[in-house]
Amino acid sequence: AQKVTQAQTEISVVEKEDVTLDCVYETRDTTYYLFWYKQPPSGELVFLIRRNSFDEQNEISGRYSWNFQKSTSSFNFTITASQVVDSAVYFCALSEYSSASKIIFGSGTRLSIRP
Amino acid sequence: NAGVTQTPKFQVLKTGQSMTLQCAQDMNHEYMSWYRQDPGMGLRLIHYSVGAGITDQGEVPNGYNVSRSTTEDFPLRLLSAAPSQTSVYFCASSYNGKPSGELFFGEGSRLTVL
Repeated sequence: AQKVTQAQTEISVVEKEDVTLDCVYETRDTTYYLFWYKQPPSGELVFLIRRNSFDEQNEISGRYSWNFQKSTSSFNFTITASQVVDSAVYFCALSEYSSASKIIFGSGTRLSIRP
Repeated sequence: NAGVTQTPKFQVLKTGQSMTLQCAQDMNHEYMSWYRQDPGMGLRLIHYSVGAGITDQGEVPNGYNVSRSTTEDFPLRLLSAAPSQTSVYFCASSYNGKPSGELFFGEGSRLTVL
């Protein structure tokens, strides 16, 4: 069965610090997809990134970067030079190709950026 | 561009009452799903559908029914509400029925069961 663990319940850092959000997943499939979503205080859920299991290349998008390591079953998310607007709950999610469209989320990490 | 529309946004029920949370999308997405969000629990999948006429159970289906008579609509029914169903409910859709697609979420429906 698929499972996503976000062990960090809450993180608080001062603005401009770098911060890494951890995501560890479990799956028996060789084909799967990993996602990160952001939920700002306004409550909507916003897609950030998708990776498939065959592409371990790290990705950078502005101040955001993602580190995918199959050897440790991790898909970590780093925000460089954090800003107050980054304050949100961040969710990691997993879907297995064999599980007929079940997309399972972790419990989320609440990130607070202090000015 | 309406995207995914959920109604109502807020609802208060008494234990034992029934209600339907509505979800509609105008993107011709095959895949639709319902999640509930509870503090410390993240988003948990209730039911999902990969196309009209096809539905299946997620992680926490008990107490909820769904149907998918059209591509656009995916209502979630609570037949006899219980306080444990107090939660924020999100409907989501994706452009295909495969698990690789980005999910587009509605704004959420906050349900309180007294």
